[in-house]
Amino acid sequence: KAGVTQTPRYLIKTRGQQVTLSCSPISGHRSVSWYQQTPGQGLQFLFEYFSETQRNKGNFPGRFSGRQFSNSRSEMNVSTLELGDSALYLCASSLGVGGAYNEQFFGPGTRLTVL
Amino acid sequence: KQEVTQIPAALSVPEGENLVLNCSFTDSAIYNLQWFRQDPGKGLTSLLLIQSSQREQTSGRLNASLDKSSGRSTLYIAASQPGDSATYLCAVPSYNTDKLIFGTGTRLQVFP
Repeated sequence: KAGVTQTPRYLIKTRGQQVTLSCSPISGHRSVSWYQQTPGQGLQFLFEYFSETQRNKGNFPGRFSGRQFSNSRSEMNVSTLELGDSALYLCASSLGVGGAYNEQFFGPGTRLTVL
Repeated sequence: KQEVTQIPAALSVPEGENLVLNCSFTDSAIYNLQWFRQDPGKGLTSLLLIQSSQREQTSGRLNASLDKSSGRSTLYIAASQPGDSATYLCAVPSYNTDKLIFGTGTRLQVFP
């Protein structure tokens, strides 16, 4: 069974641009969560989706948004990029609703660099 | 507010040693606890998930224990190998928000 896949793996953008990251969960998994990882802040929760509905959102500005499609694939978008958005963005999938209460499987991440 | 800490922050050991990594959490009312491994610049690999009703979980050379009353979990690695070198993270679900709260991590280096 294929694991969680994320595309692209690496991105370089400049301040003010916007970016879209994609995540395909494990087949059959309907919950997708997104996390941002930086050396200073560690892993921080962005949002969680289940059956195309955002169930929870972390403490991030409105520039960070996401969505989930009917096939459970998810995208996150960051608009008006800032230098501080440089990070590893990780996507996790799990089987049922309430993502964190089930075993979470993470993808390889997308490394975003903002210049 | 749940806080998760891990001790030690870094560990360097020779190959073959048995290791204990510690994870502490402030709110004992956890649903489960998950241990992950992260290689540099890579994603997280799930190692073990312990439900709140369990005391132990084992997978190969890894054994994780959970003591909710004392707010602690330990990850035991038997006969360590250089390939075990990575950062190890523990995480618990945050009450009612469906997010994982991660520990600070233990960076492990096993040298030949």
